[in-house]
Amino acid sequence: DQQVKQNSPSLSVQEGRISILNCDYTNSMFDYFLWYKKYPAEGPTFLISISSIKDKNEDGRFTVFLNKSAKHLSLHIVPSQPGDSAVYFCAARWGTGGFKTIFGAGTRLFVKA
Amino acid sequence: EPEVTQTPSHQVTQMGQEVILRCVPISNHLYFYWYRQILGQKVEFLVSFYNNEISEKSEIFDDQFSVERPDGSNFTLKIRSTKLEDSAMYFCASSGLWASGGSTDTQYFGPGTRLTVL
Repeated sequence: DQQVKQNSPSLSVQEGRISILNCDYTNSMFDYFLWYKKYPAEGPTFLISISSIKDKNEDGRFTVFLNKSAKHLSLHIVPSQPGDSAVYFCAARWGTGGFKTIFGAGTRLFVKA
Repeated sequence: EPEVTQTPSHQVTQMGQEVILRCVPISNHLYFYWYRQILGQKVEFLVSFYNNEISEKSEIFDDQFSVERPDGSNFTLKIRSTKLEDSAMYFCASSGLWASGGSTDTQYFGPGTRLTVL
């Protein structure tokens, strides 16, 4: 199931700089996109989401951008902190309520002090 | 902050045995889910559950799997006859309305149960 793709398995960024994580999708039916953060031996933790009717959503240091025509979304973290080092999953779903969420393969972010 | 809990944290079983993984979703949430993550692979959807019935399931969720909400707080995943390839982390998640008001779309995940089938 390759409907959600994260083509970069890892990303290394200096503390204080911007981290940009990218995600592409193929299913035009998706109407809601989410980013999850995952530490080893823990479950995914919700970070930020965006509805398909918007092109930007911001929450503190985290901003998600959606380009529907390109079927692309990105997560920007500014400024990056060492504690942000984790695996970041892009996810997408459609419909409302209890429907399945399709996850990307994840991108491991390393923030160097 | 409310959280999803799962027990046990690690389950070891012999191939062919039945296992039951347990989850306590966030109180007042309406939708419940099971996902799995095989080591090194992506998180995969198994099943969603709403109003005491399955609302959607993936091709992974075959007849060996079943889910149940036996009471007002627990949500379980049963694997009837485990196979080696069932070894994975199993995550429970929940979403929906809660008392303080929140997104109905965001799923909150538990810490997972590591299932090892020998």
